Amino acid sequence: DAGITQSPRHKVTETGTPVTLRCHQTENHRYMYWYRQDPGHGLRLIHYSYGVKDTDKGEVSDGYSVSRSKTEDFLLTLESATSSQTSVYFCAIRTDRDFGYTFGSGTRLTVV
Amino acid sequence: GESVGLHLPTLSVQEGDNSIINCAYSNSASDYFIWYKQESGKGPQFIIDIRSNMDKRQGQRVTVLLNKTVKHLSLQIAATQPGDSAVYFCAVLSGGYQKVTFGTGTKLQVIP
Repeated sequence: DAGITQSPRHKVTETGTPVTLRCHQTENHRYMYWYRQDPGHGLRLIHYSYGVKDTDKGEVSDGYSVSRSKTEDFLLTLESATSSQTSVYFCAIRTDRDFGYTFGSGTRLTVV
Repeated sequence: GESVGLHLPTLSVQEGDNSIINCAYSNSASDYFIWYKQESGKGPQFIIDIRSNMDKRQGQRVTVLLNKTVKHLSLQIAATQPGDSAVYFCAVLSGGYQKVTFGTGTKLQVIP
């Protein structure tokens, strides 16, 4: 996906361990988002950022934290992974000019 | 809050036929609507959007229709091709485009 890279693409981790997912953009967009995608649910917003060090919670933020120290990087951290956090995580960017979102390729996270 | 639903979880269509995927929303104040296509293992991709002051918008082989009276929008794909096989979902924006709700998706299967 143009301009957005997520890493890792796949990860298996154990319950209770911390996990950090990375989203990197090359297009200098102000708005960045983390969503999770689960069967039977639409994409649900975890956290978002509207600038460096400016972040806010989404609808499913419990158990997650984020950081944005540079415009291009938005990190999602699971402080202590639980099985309920097994999901596919998508990062997205949005321009100031329009309201369509551009999504990364996703990170499939499995917590065992 | 906004709820967004799709009428069919799965739609099977013969190659060459037209496909229609539907989405219903609950908030009459919603003002911007987007259709996304998500292929297996990939992030959602923008297909087409429509603002609430429009009833219809056409793209290449795709048309979005918006019926604000019954809070319904549809995505029409003309001459469906095998490459159209994917999950399609709508996104509904409200609150001055600050609040977005995603539908759960309809899986389109194209029969050769």
